[in-house]
Amino acid sequence: QKEVEQNSGPLSVPEGAIASLNCTYSDRGSQSFFWYRQYSGKSPELIMFIYSNGDKEDGRFTAQLNKASQYVSLLIRDSQPSDSATYLCAVSIGTGRRALTFGSGTRLQVQP
Amino acid sequence: GAVVSQHPSWVICKSGTSVKIECRSLDFQATTMFWYRQFPKQSLMLMATSNEGSKATYEQGVEKDKFLINHASLTLSTLTVTSAHPEDSSFYICSAPTATYEQYFGPGTRLTVT
Repeated sequence: QKEVEQNSGPLSVPEGAIASLNCTYSDRGSQSFFWYRQYSGKSPELIMFIYSNGDKEDGRFTAQLNKASQYVSLLIRDSQPSDSATYLCAVSIGTGRRALTFGSGTRLQVQP
Repeated sequence: GAVVSQHPSWVICKSGTSVKIECRSLDFQATTMFWYRQFPKQSLMLMATSNEGSKATYEQGVEKDKFLINHASLTLSTLTVTSAHPEDSSFYICSAPTATYEQYFGPGTRLTVT
């Protein structure tokens, strides 16, 4: 079983819709959870960082964490064609400045 | 967010030569930095953890004599790929965590070994 699992997609949504991206993780020692956006040929860009159960909102983005279910999700409201990218879920196992374990990413396509 | 830079952004070298990649945290200090590698259509894989003032720790399967890491200051880590071979061609990306543990990535260095 992979440590961080994501559906590879592509997930296709129309412009203006809500895109829902999901991620599960296996290590219960995971403490921090990250969502990155990666455009083709570019490095990952941090979108959200969450470490407490519940929701965290930042603009059009909402991260949801459920540690009991070992599940983290990212909602993108009012999706735009510029949101089309690969979204990487990453977890940090343990506390402190730890390296991240990445999922394989979900490719999102927002149709104009 | 915090800013991490990398240099060069791309490099082409001949097989058997060495290449040095720099990673800098521009607006914060980073006692720890991480080096990742990403092959086409794959996710990021951790290569090593760079620690300021001490030796780097390498992931299983990463040759420490081939990928030399030096964390000379609180804002600079370097990765040197020694005796590069075509199979080392990849996208090398560094990251640095801030004091609040958010991790930011540099823009990456695309290495092509001919």
